[in-house]
Amino acid sequence: DAGITQSPRHKVTETGTPVTLRCHQTENHRYMYWYRQDPGHGLRLIHYSYGVKDTDKGEVSDGYSVSRSKTEDFLLTLESATSSQTSVYFCAIKGRGQNTEAFFGQGTRLTVV
Amino acid sequence: GENVEQHPSTLSVQEGDSAVIKCTYSDSASNYFPWYKQELGKRPQLIIDIRSNVGEKKDQRIAVTLNKTAKHFSLHITETQPEDSAVYFCAATTDSNYQLIWGAGTKLIIKP
Repeated sequence: DAGITQSPRHKVTETGTPVTLRCHQTENHRYMYWYRQDPGHGLRLIHYSYGVKDTDKGEVSDGYSVSRSKTEDFLLTLESATSSQTSVYFCAIKGRGQNTEAFFGQGTRLTVV
Repeated sequence: GENVEQHPSTLSVQEGDSAVIKCTYSDSASNYFPWYKQELGKRPQLIIDIRSNVGEKKDQRIAVTLNKTAKHFSLHITETQPEDSAVYFCAATTDSNYQLIWGAGTKLIIKP
């Protein structure tokens, strides 16, 4: 599993509530990513991190924030969940240089009702 | 920045036939091109990759070809089997970049 786990795996939440998804890695990889996957849209980058406390926005960052206080943990927060944020969320880790393969977590299925 | 286009979006082939999925990229500096397979309900996983110093790479029934001049690369699957049914994603990046730029995906359907 390349040492990457996501939690929770499934979550149902109500519109307007905050939600935090966790990505944990044991590979000491520098780069971590949050994607969302919706039918017909492939993998869309939400936010990414290139080191502790170093994060940046991806193409669909509105309504999301992230934090990385430790190398191993990358948190994605939906500040006030909306139905349009119902999706499958994948975390990924990636090395640099020759180690450029990206490894994905198992995914989190989030439903906002 | 880099842009990756992937075609077709859906590909249906008869079991035993070959399947080809094509991707084009825009940044001539890209030098690493992976292909990921995502089975229904599962995470994407790397199946094969190629670097810009190589024109072709094979691994059993799958192969990837790269044309740097035309800036396109393709995934070839021969003797397709039911377990090849999945969504396939291509991507491009450089060793100095920390992002993979993804294609939109191809749903491969293997007909019995």
